[in-house]
Amino acid sequence: EIVMTQSPATLPLSPGERATLSCRASQSVDNNYLAWYQQKPGQAPRLLIYDAFRRATGIPDRFSGSGSGTDFTLSISRLEPDDFAVYYCQQYGSFPYNFGPGTKVEI
Amino acid sequence: QVQLVESGGGVVKPGGSLRLSCVASGFTSNDYYMTWMRQAPGKGLEWVSYISGGSTYTNYADSVKGRFSISRDKSKNSLYLQMNSLRVDDTAVYFCTRRYYDLLTGHSRAYFDYWGQGVLVTVSS
Repeated sequence: EIVMTQSPATLPLSPGERATLSCRASQSVDNNYLAWYQQKPGQAPRLLIYDAFRRATGIPDRFSGSGSGTDFTLSISRLEPDDFAVYYCQQYGSFPYNFGPGTKVEI
Repeated sequence: QVQLVESGGGVVKPGGSLRLSCVASGFTSNDYYMTWMRQAPGKGLEWVSYISGGSTYTNYADSVKGRFSISRDKSKNSLYLQMNSLRVDDTAVYFCTRRYYDLLTGHSRAYFDYWGQGVLVTVSS
């Protein structure tokens, strides 16, 4: 079973700044099958990125994903007020398709 | 427009039962893998159970195996989660989710492109 970790747990930033979130897998993720989700309080997660770097439908280009193997990154180029949320990574290269514990991007 | 709407949550005593429902619209849910996820208060995301397109396969997390049962009703475009022998640590928001599948190419990937709004299940004496 692949264990996902994320860092930092909390990322304090200001609007307009760049956010860099890290996701690490305990072993290589097959085909770099890695997704990122955004979750705001009281809401369901929303798919942002899949296949490590492909943006989901309707996701602005200030969100970008990169990485391969065991190390992946979600970058948000210029934080907008609506971007302050919790971000989860999820590997789907091998079952069980585990999520990371999340990174909270806060003001 | 794809939508997933859950219902059936509530407060139940340990050992009790609940049945969650998820009504899908904007697509034919029987064509897709559908998964129940849950999120305990202040915690991360955990998959609970999935059912394959056509209901050929089902699977359960070890934490719920033998207690929960997933099913679907094609005619109602709906998904269900029967939860028996509920425990305090089953307390969570439960989400109905659709796993990605391209109907044209047959490509499927186990990321989740649509989520319901979630329904709260509280197990407490």
